[in-house]
Amino acid sequence: KNEVEQSPQNLTAQEGEFITINCSYSVGISALHWLQQHPGGGIVSLFMLSSGKKKHGRLIATINIQEKHSSLHITASHPRDSAVYICAVRRWTNDMRFGAGTRLTVKP
Amino acid sequence: DGGITQSPKYLFRKEGQNVTLSCEQNLNHDAMYWYRQDPGQGLRLIYYSQIVNDFQKGDIAEGYSVSREKKESFPLTVTSAQKNPTAFYLCASSRGRESRWDEQYFGPGTRLTVT
Repeated sequence: KNEVEQSPQNLTAQEGEFITINCSYSVGISALHWLQQHPGGGIVSLFMLSSGKKKHGRLIATINIQEKHSSLHITASHPRDSAVYICAVRRWTNDMRFGAGTRLTVKP
Repeated sequence: DGGITQSPKYLFRKEGQNVTLSCEQNLNHDAMYWYRQDPGQGLRLIYYSQIVNDFQKGDIAEGYSVSREKKESFPLTVTSAQKNPTAFYLCASSRGRESRWDEQYFGPGTRLTVT
């Protein structure tokens, strides 16, 4: 079993829909990251969090340390949000473990 | 503009040949990393370096080698010993402090195809 599991693997939405991507992990962590990978392959960091909730524009990330679970929400989704979203955790040993990613397609 | 560059974007090689992937950063970061990405799998760590002239094996180092002679550069050589070299390779860097807030910045990646 992978240490970081994401669901769903693939997600298709209509423009304007509210989107949720889930991440569960099985190891002790010091921080959790949400990353975005565009079709060209480059990766950008969206959020880094260790507790509670963070918001940036239409993106919201939450984490529940006790349940070892995090969610990434996108409000009012847009076709430009189409990308692969990756959950990654930093273990207490300071190394990173990555989920397989969720491929999001937002149709106009 | 500060950032990480990887070249080339696409690389094709014949089986049995060694190939070196370039990674350069001008962020003045101490730590650099190489990851491999395969379809349906998370990124996996190949090698990392916390400081110049020092590097450590990651989870899947077999068949790969690296050097860190300069702070800005961390080239990865995929040797003929790597059984399945075709993959997308990502380089990353971070400030390198022993801190849980040490965020990694990623390069654009190199897609290597070996036939």
